[in-house]
Amino acid sequence: AQKITQTQPGMFVQEKEAVTLDCTYDTSDPSYGLFWYKQPSSGEMIFLIYQGSYDQQNATEGRYSLNFQKARKSANLVISASQLGDSAMYFCAMREMANAGKSTFGDGTTLTVKP
Amino acid sequence: EPEVTQTPSHQVTQMGQEVILRCVPISNHLYFYWYRQILGQKVEFLVSFYNNEISEKSEIFDDQFSVERPDGSNFTLKIRSTKLEDSAMYFCASSPDKGTNSGANVLTFGAGSRLTVL
Repeated sequence: AQKITQTQPGMFVQEKEAVTLDCTYDTSDPSYGLFWYKQPSSGEMIFLIYQGSYDQQNATEGRYSLNFQKARKSANLVISASQLGDSAMYFCAMREMANAGKSTFGDGTTLTVKP
Repeated sequence: EPEVTQTPSHQVTQMGQEVILRCVPISNHLYFYWYRQILGQKVEFLVSFYNNEISEKSEIFDDQFSVERPDGSNFTLKIRSTKLEDSAMYFCASSPDKGTNSGANVLTFGAGSRLTVL
């Protein structure tokens, strides 16, 4: 069963606007962590933001925020004030305590920021 | 800022040959990982390594693959008898620990080693 689902293969956003990238997950483990990574065309994997399953507040890192809805098992990434340099592939990932040696990645969403 | 270093950045090999991909994890990290990404596709977990032994491995990580930490700094992935379908970007990553409820345990990735099997 797919543990991380990113339903948007591609997204477009106008420069300076906000965009939400969807991520849903499936786990029975009460302890887990959720991550978002950015992969620009150059190929490297850049960590953006982290949310722990026990965190009471949504994580924020600069222009990135994570809309964590635990009951719905969703962890959407919100990018505010999009910039041209935000154009990249974005991956949602999860680590479960029971399998803490591995992180499972979603299929990714390609974001294109239009000028 | 500390980084994970991978070599080579690109390797071309003939089918059936053996390749070794090298990684230098961040020095105070305890957990090391290999992931692969076939072009344009998802990032797939291969193996994690802790305390000089494999911690977890995926079904992809069969007898064709092996990992080693030959000294105090390098972490290697060996692929024997390479096949065309082994062509991919291979990412090494490391983390301070493997707990899930701490942002300190984020995986830091290297820039990747692109393997092309002809």
